Amino acid sequence: NAGVTQTPKFRILKIGQSMTLQCAQDMNHNYMYWYRQDPGMGLKLIYYSVGAGITDKGEVPNGYNVSRSTTEDFPLRLELAAPSQTSVYFCASSYSPGVSEQYFGPGTRLTVT
Amino acid sequence: GQQLNQSPQSMFIQEGEDVSMNCTSSSIFNTWLWYKQDPGEGPVLLIALYKAGELTSNGRLTAQFGITRKDSFLNISASIPSDVGIYFCAGLQLNTGNQFYFGTGTSLTVIP
Repeated sequence: NAGVTQTPKFRILKIGQSMTLQCAQDMNHNYMYWYRQDPGMGLKLIYYSVGAGITDKGEVPNGYNVSRSTTEDFPLRLELAAPSQTSVYFCASSYSPGVSEQYFGPGTRLTVT
Repeated sequence: GQQLNQSPQSMFIQEGEDVSMNCTSSSIFNTWLWYKQDPGEGPVLLIALYKAGELTSNGRLTAQFGITRKDSFLNISASIPSDVGIYFCAGLQLNTGNQFYFGTGTSLTVIP
């Protein structure tokens, strides 16, 4: 199993540009999550999904969109990039949150200038 | 969002010493997780706790789920240089949409 994979690893965007961060997992996990981590801070939940076709907002969803068309994939979309979205983005998955652990991808480092 | 207060913020210790860190909240959590993050990497799960009072070990690491369900502790015994990194606690509240909330991390430096 590859676990949770994320692409790209690094990206520089200009203000106003759009991009999609890709996330995939091969563990047949129902739950998937997107977090952002700012320097010296913990992780903040952006969006999560409890299964294909179902998504919900986390703590900091503004400026982002997600979709979940398959169990394996959970892309995160930035429509109009802003400097405040400069951060490291982590995708994670779990079978179910109450009785199983959450596994993280390696992260995408995004800079918006 | 929920606030998880993690302390200490940073620690500098000699190799071989024991380490203790904790995570507290004003809210009750159903699950506590402890992660380690190396620079440029995603967090890696160390220990998961599911019941109040539960004490779980993973090698030199021991973690406890507080009786009040509002706190958790992580201990590392006989630290070694590869223990260096940032340790995060995370709590899950099932009644707030299955969201995990993370502490701000404890940065550990081990001096050989």
